[in-house]
Amino acid sequence: DIQMTQSPSSLSASVGDRVTITCRASQSITTFLNWYQQKPGKAPKLLIQAASSLQSGVPSRFSGSGSGTDFTLTITSLQPEDFATYYCQQSYNTPWTFGQGTRVEFK
Amino acid sequence: QMQLQESGPGLVKPSQTLSLTCTVSGGSIRNGAYYWTWIRQHPGKDLEWIGHILHSGGTYYNPSLKSRVIVSIDTSKNQFSLKLNSVTAADTAMYYCARDARYDSRGYAHDSFDIWGQGTMVTVSS
Repeated sequence: DIQMTQSPSSLSASVGDRVTITCRASQSITTFLNWYQQKPGKAPKLLIQAASSLQSGVPSRFSGSGSGTDFTLTITSLQPEDFATYYCQQSYNTPWTFGQGTRVEFK
Repeated sequence: QMQLQESGPGLVKPSQTLSLTCTVSGGSIRNGAYYWTWIRQHPGKDLEWIGHILHSGGTYYNPSLKSRVIVSIDTSKNQFSLKLNSVTAADTAMYYCARDARYDSRGYAHDSFDIWGQGTMVTVSS
């Protein structure tokens, strides 16, 4: 199985901050990488697919980059509704696997 | 707008079979552009892909669960189902059904879970 490792596991930030979350795959997955946002008590929501393609309706302050084994999710100006847990997920090989999540908390 | 909704018992006894159904509304489950998927999330927050099924009935399971899992589909009811047998406390989790879109907006093969059910909590306990 492909292992996905996110860092950090959690971070504290303020409204307006720039936030960067990293995801590393245990082998090259080219750009077969998706990002999800999950709020408490809710299902995950797809934000970005194919490493950098923003899902329809997702604010442009979210962006994704990377290829191979190293990927980044960036939120350019954190908004109150962005406090949540973020997961990466590889779709290069089954079984599809997720990172352990990064919790973005209010500082 | 397509929606998915899980249903089934919230409490299952150890060694018994967990059975859940996902009802799809707002679109047909017969669309070959999608895999119909089960994912679970343990209380600690890890997400685990369980397996998926095509409208034709073709399945693929996570090898870690393969010996205990069956996913089936009923296109006449627009539903798909999960059975997980010989459950233990380690199977206690939130179970989600989801749509796996097999192709991205450009038409390239690139899976992503673009629609999710709200989830149903299943506890394994005597």
